[in-house]
Amino acid sequence: AAGVIQSPRHLIKEKRETATLKCYPIPRHDTVYWYQQGPGQDPQFLISFYEKMQSDKGSIPDRFSAQQFSDYHSELNMSSLELGDSALYFCASTSGGHYEQYFGPGTRLTVT
Amino acid sequence: AQKITQTQPGMFVQEKEAVTLDCTYDTSDQSYGLFWYKQPSSGEMIFLIYQGSYDEQNATEGRYSLNFQKARKSANLVISASQLGDSAMYFCARTNFGNEKLTFGTGTRLTIIP
Repeated sequence: AAGVIQSPRHLIKEKRETATLKCYPIPRHDTVYWYQQGPGQDPQFLISFYEKMQSDKGSIPDRFSAQQFSDYHSELNMSSLELGDSALYFCASTSGGHYEQYFGPGTRLTVT
Repeated sequence: AQKITQTQPGMFVQEKEAVTLDCTYDTSDQSYGLFWYKQPSSGEMIFLIYQGSYDEQNATEGRYSLNFQKARKSANLVISASQLGDSAMYFCARTNFGNEKLTFGTGTRLTIIP
């Protein structure tokens, strides 16, 4: 079965640089969630989209922005990167009427 | 905040034994969902099991079952006949219906001993 695809899987950036993380949800899934998991932490919700509209916003810094495109893929844009942004970034998807969120493999971002 | 509490930071269990991972939650809502996810050392988050607050029967998925006690606000995960591949971090999580972002507990690291 098709799963959530995230790219890149690993990313190394320097402070103050920008990064773009991509997420391709499971086919026919219309909702995408982004989570950030710091080292030794539980995942924290950042932002979500339903049918290409932002549906909820969590503890996402103003330096981050995201959108969902017409083909339902989503991108998380991160600017002015800080050392504290180093984390595993997950995208998860689900379809309307279902509650299970299926996670992608994550993008491990390292800021040096 | 709707807090999820996992009181067992780490557990060691002999292979083939059953194991129960504890999870309690705060809520003032009537409608919510409870989840368990497994995170192996490779990092991916694997969905294991889901229980809705209105479900009268405990959820089961293969070797996984969820011991849901609504009055006690607990949703413990039971893994039967543990295997070496069960060694991982396990997270309990919840959503509110209509606001489906997941709120996670701090996790329990399970180690299965041969």
